[in-house]
Amino acid sequence: RKEVEQDPGPFNVPEGATVAFNCTYSNSASQSFFWYRQDCRKEPKLLMSVYSSGNEDGRFTAQLNRASQYISLLIRDSKLSDSATYLCVVRNSGYALNFGKGTSLLVTP
Amino acid sequence: GAVVSQHPSRVICKSGTSVKIECRSLDFQATTMFWYRQFPKQSLMLMATSNEGSKATYEQGVEKDKFLINHASLTLSTLTVTSAHPEDSSFYICRVTGAGLEQYFGPGTRLTVT
Repeated sequence: RKEVEQDPGPFNVPEGATVAFNCTYSNSASQSFFWYRQDCRKEPKLLMSVYSSGNEDGRFTAQLNRASQYISLLIRDSKLSDSATYLCVVRNSGYALNFGKGTSLLVTP
Repeated sequence: GAVVSQHPSRVICKSGTSVKIECRSLDFQATTMFWYRQFPKQSLMLMATSNEGSKATYEQGVEKDKFLINHASLTLSTLTVTSAHPEDSSFYICRVTGAGLEQYFGPGTRLTVT
């Protein structure tokens, strides 16, 4: 079983829609959780960290459920510029990160 | 400005040749550098972890004699793909971390082996 699993999509949504991505991780001792965004042929960029209490950054809301080992990302009022691949990332200990395969999002006019 | 640079950004080489990719941290001392490889529509796969002045730790299945990593200073790590084959064509990305938990990705190097 892969350490971090995501639905690869693609998710095709119209502008203005709300879309949610889910991610599960296998290591119950995982310590930190992140969502990264990766555009085609570019390096991943940190979108937001994910905390147990849930956190919001503008149109983006991230949730963490440690009991279910589940992480989510909600994007409201989708913009064309949100089209990208969203990577669920988990840190167990130290500096090593485990990446999911990513979920592809395409926002259409 | 960019915190981490990679050079070259794109390289095409012939099968059997070697290619060196540099990863430089520009504004801070990178105690640990990670090298990843990403094939199309795949996740980033960690190849190796290197600490300045010591030998790199390679992930299972990554040949250390084929992918030579040198982390000679706190600002520079190099990955050399030796005797490259077409199946080595990929996107190679470095990630650097400092003394705290700050971390930055390089912009990546796209390698095409013909």
